[in-house]
Amino acid sequence: GEDVEQSLFLSVREGDSSVINCTYTDSSSTYLYWYKQEPGAGLQLLTYIFSNMDMKQDQRLTVLLNKKDKHLSLRIADTQTGDSAIYFCAENGAGNNRKLIWGLGTSLAVNP
Amino acid sequence: SAVISQKPSRDICQRGTSLTIQCQVDSQVTMMFWYRQQPGQSLTLIATANQGSEATYESGFVIDKFPISRPNLTFSTLTVSNMSPEDSSIYLCSVGDLGDPPYEQYFGPGTRLTVT
Repeated sequence: GEDVEQSLFLSVREGDSSVINCTYTDSSSTYLYWYKQEPGAGLQLLTYIFSNMDMKQDQRLTVLLNKKDKHLSLRIADTQTGDSAIYFCAENGAGNNRKLIWGLGTSLAVNP
Repeated sequence: SAVISQKPSRDICQRGTSLTIQCQVDSQVTMMFWYRQQPGQSLTLIATANQGSEATYESGFVIDKFPISRPNLTFSTLTVSNMSPEDSSIYLCSVGDLGDPPYEQYFGPGTRLTVT
């Protein structure tokens, strides 16, 4: 069935780049998303990428998509302490209901 | 995007009781979703709330336990019935317009429920 996998933890130093990785199984997904969840808060849509794109850049965020390997990554340049959060990868599932299929989330810790 | 509010933001309830969570959106939306996020876990979709029709529940969730109302295009409620400690979780509502790409969803701040 449909599945999205992420590594659970990532620790970086302030100012370094962070790369959060995600793999998915549904080749029919048309959009893939990155959401951010800060402690005690809901989920915030960070960015998304259409499946026919290889890369999307939005300020400090760069999304790379390797559709052949079903691999998605989110790079955060110049990581700040305010970037500490859980990052969820999601894909829109096949079919008309377009449910989002979620990864378990990667907890990013930014150390000063 | 849409601004979504949820009430209550948190509650502590006794087992056997029920809690109704409200979700209010600042604009009309076609689809509203209810999720559960258990501690340290990802999101699990409970049901899709459709205006003017019955909610569509995911496998493992039933209407008797999680009745949902969707009286109009800006409001929905989720009731957690006959609660047990296993229902302790964050409950999130989200909204989306599945008719237009990129089909993203926007989330409320969540309701943190603790059942004792």
